[in-house]
Amino acid sequence: AQKVTQAQTEISVVEKEDVTLDCVYETRDTTYYLFWYKQPPSGELVFLIRRNSFDEQNEISGRYSWNFQKSTSSFNFTITASQVVDSAVYFCALSTGANNLFFGTGTRLTVIP
Amino acid sequence: EAQVTQNPRYLITVTGKKLTVTCSQNMNHEYMSWYRQDPGLGLRQIYYSMNVEVTDKGDVPEGYKVSRKEKRNFPLILESPSPNQTSLYFCASSTGLSHQPQHFGDGTRLSIL
Repeated sequence: AQKVTQAQTEISVVEKEDVTLDCVYETRDTTYYLFWYKQPPSGELVFLIRRNSFDEQNEISGRYSWNFQKSTSSFNFTITASQVVDSAVYFCALSTGANNLFFGTGTRLTVIP
Repeated sequence: EAQVTQNPRYLITVTGKKLTVTCSQNMNHEYMSWYRQDPGLGLRQIYYSMNVEVTDKGDVPEGYKVSRKEKRNFPLILESPSPNQTSLYFCASSTGLSHQPQHFGDGTRLSIL
């Protein structure tokens, strides 16, 4: 069975602080894909990044970076120098086989100005 | 513009009154899916469709029906809505390949009184 755990329900940081959102996944499949989505207060879901199970390279995109570690089944997301616009709910998700997404319960990030 | 369009965006209705939430995509995607989002539970899949006339149950299908008569449309039907179906609903589409991110509609907030 597939499972995604986001243990942090809510996080608050002060603007310009760095913050890491944790994601731990479970799957018996050897081929799988991990995603992060952002849900801003307006409610839509915005795709941020995809990582496949064979590529453990970390990725950086501007202030965002992702750390994928198969040894610990984790796919953590770090925002550097957080900004108020980063305030949102962030979802980690797992896809195997038929493109069905299994979501974590989300982490609500509040960046305080 | 590539998009997934859901209607209505908001609906308040009463128990037992049949309703349909429409979903349409203009990307010629094979795969479409419905999710519901509830506080503390993240997004859970209701039904999905790999192609026209092919639908399958997700994790929480009870009380819902779907149909896929055309590639672009995937309506969600609540034959006899109940208060526990009050939720935020998202439709999504993708090419169907598990490495491809899903594109989400803007969501439909349903309140069943």
